[in-house]
Amino acid sequence: GAVVSQHPSRVICKSGTSVKIECRSLDFQATTMFWYRQFPKQSLMLMATSNEGSKATYEQGVEKDKFLINHASLTLSTLTVTSAHPEDSSFYICSARATQETQYFGPGTRLLVL
Amino acid sequence: LAKTTQPISMDSYEGQEVNITCSHNNIATNDYITWYQQFPSQGPRFIIQGYKTKVTNEVASLFIPADRKSSTLSLPRVSLSDTAVYYCLVGFGGSQGNLIFGKGTKLSVKP
Repeated sequence: GAVVSQHPSRVICKSGTSVKIECRSLDFQATTMFWYRQFPKQSLMLMATSNEGSKATYEQGVEKDKFLINHASLTLSTLTVTSAHPEDSSFYICSARATQETQYFGPGTRLLVL
Repeated sequence: LAKTTQPISMDSYEGQEVNITCSHNNIATNDYITWYQQFPSQGPRFIIQGYKTKVTNEVASLFIPADRKSSTLSLPRVSLSDTAVYYCLVGFGGSQGNLIFGKGTKLSVKP
């Protein structure tokens, strides 16, 4: 199957700082990527849809100014958590759409805000 | 938007066949059915995908009845390493059905 990577796999930061997470599709081009968040013992929740060359589409309740998304190329999307706070601590997972019916997921990034 | 319903949990023993059923009563004509496996602190891993009838790959089979209102993921001879949460998603292209995760089924395989 198609491979999606994320970097970093784990990050610890101080409250008030910004953190950037990268998502790359390694062996295919993806015009559309997705960002999810998963809290402990819960399911994945879609945060936003990242479209190459255009603005991201955010789900209801997700602050676009706090979670900045940039999809600069067909293989890279970045999520920046601005002014992070402890409640932003979570597991962030990206996915890339390989075909109309299939998305492949990255390994996830564990964010801990102190 | 095709909503999915799965059992919250299932228990099995090593070597047994496990069948996990997902209900999706309002599946649309273009929708595909995709199953993912997730281990703790990892991203979901694609297992299998189908549109109708039966699909088989090296790790699982997917059975879809003619009305497509449900699907069954079949894992042959499970091992301890198959302990994970399994999600079924239903959708296609721009529809968000294949982006919305339900609660999934937590499969516990015992020795």
